Amino acid sequence: DGGITQSPKYLFRKEGQNVTLSCEQNLNHDAMYWYRQDPGQGLRLIYYSQIVNDFQKGDIAEGYSVSREKKESFPLTVTSAQKNPTAFYLCACSGSSYNEQFFGPGTRLTVL
Amino acid sequence: DQQVKQNSPSLSVQEGRISILNCDYTNSMFDYFLWYKKYPAEGPTFLISISSIKDKNEDGRFTVFLNKSAKHLSLHIVPSQPGDSAVYFCAASETGRRALTFGSGTRLQVQP
Repeated sequence: DGGITQSPKYLFRKEGQNVTLSCEQNLNHDAMYWYRQDPGQGLRLIYYSQIVNDFQKGDIAEGYSVSREKKESFPLTVTSAQKNPTAFYLCACSGSSYNEQFFGPGTRLTVL
Repeated sequence: DQQVKQNSPSLSVQEGRISILNCDYTNSMFDYFLWYKKYPAEGPTFLISISSIKDKNEDGRFTVFLNKSAKHLSLHIVPSQPGDSAVYFCAASETGRRALTFGSGTRLQVQP
């Protein structure tokens, strides 16, 4: 089945630790995205990548880093510099019809 | 500064009646608009979209209306069903920028 997966679904980390969230897709889509959702708010763009080895900052990139070494994978690292990392993180991808994005199931990160 | 606004955080309707969800935007460069549906702890799923060259797009029970002069769009669901209960996000994009800008969402509750 084609789709986009994120792991793990729930993640707990101690304050001051870096953590990497996984995102994998087998839809052969060029573009991939990371969003963050906080309670009562919409999705805010963290980073996006239009092709392999290329990525751009979104609206709230501070404290995050990404890599795009493979078309299928777009991991997000939440660093200790991110002041309020507890949130629901969503990964998405899009193909030629780039306006329509397909979302993964999300990872809920809780920093204790 | 929110470029896409959903001013109603929640809406409750009776089964079989019409649900109308509203969305306003401020960026005149937006030329494509989408609605996503989201259940708790899941990623959003694409529902329906509309290009700025149209003022209406219909797909089964779902119709999206676009009023460019008012910078306003709405999603109509007729007839509403209990399974439609979810959070609905309005999103917008502009040519040349692949990422979407999301509203804060409206929680729809359809009462049986």
